[in-house]
Amino acid sequence: GAVVSQHPSRVICKSGTSVKIECRSLDFQATTMFWYRQFPKQSLMLMATSNEGSKATYEQGVEKDKFLINHASLTLSTLTVTSAHPEDSSFYICSARVSKNIQYFGAGTRLSVL
Amino acid sequence: TQLLEQSPQFLSIQEGENLTVYCNSSSVFSSLQWYRQEPGEGPVLLVTVVTGGEVKKLKRLTFQFGDARKDSSLHITAAQPGDTGLYLCAVLNNAGNMLTFGGGTRLMVKP
Repeated sequence: GAVVSQHPSRVICKSGTSVKIECRSLDFQATTMFWYRQFPKQSLMLMATSNEGSKATYEQGVEKDKFLINHASLTLSTLTVTSAHPEDSSFYICSARVSKNIQYFGAGTRLSVL
Repeated sequence: TQLLEQSPQFLSIQEGENLTVYCNSSSVFSSLQWYRQEPGEGPVLLVTVVTGGEVKKLKRLTFQFGDARKDSSLHITAAQPGDTGLYLCAVLNNAGNMLTFGGGTRLMVKP
């Protein structure tokens, strides 16, 4: 089946630094990928839709200058959390669209900002 | 108000018990999906239901889509500790490219 690889699985950083998270589709091409955020004991909230070769579409309330998304190829999307602060600590999950109704999810990245 | 309301939010049961979790909405959907997420992992798709009244079975899991396509249920028979996880229902937008998740039901099955 389709596999989505997310890296790193866990990152701890100091406040004020930037962190890049990668999302790769390993055996298929994905023109559309999605980035979600999940706080402890809560559900997934869509942050943005990443489209290959064009600008990402951000959900209401998500700062595009803080959460930079780049989808430069059909198999890779990256999310950069710029100038991270403790309130950005969360579980970030990407998914890649395989077909109209199917998305496969990465294993997530747990970000802890000290 | 969330688009999808899941209940209960938390459920702790003993191994061997049966359980049902619900996903309700006031909106009508063309399809609905159920996912299971284990701690520290991404969600994994269990099933997609598309027809009102549809029932799908996946081993000990039975999924039902309401006749009016506004709600769905997941029934687990003889729960096992391996069933522990967060169960999420989700729906796609009309274009079929954006998922909206319910709040989830966190299930713990004790041995």
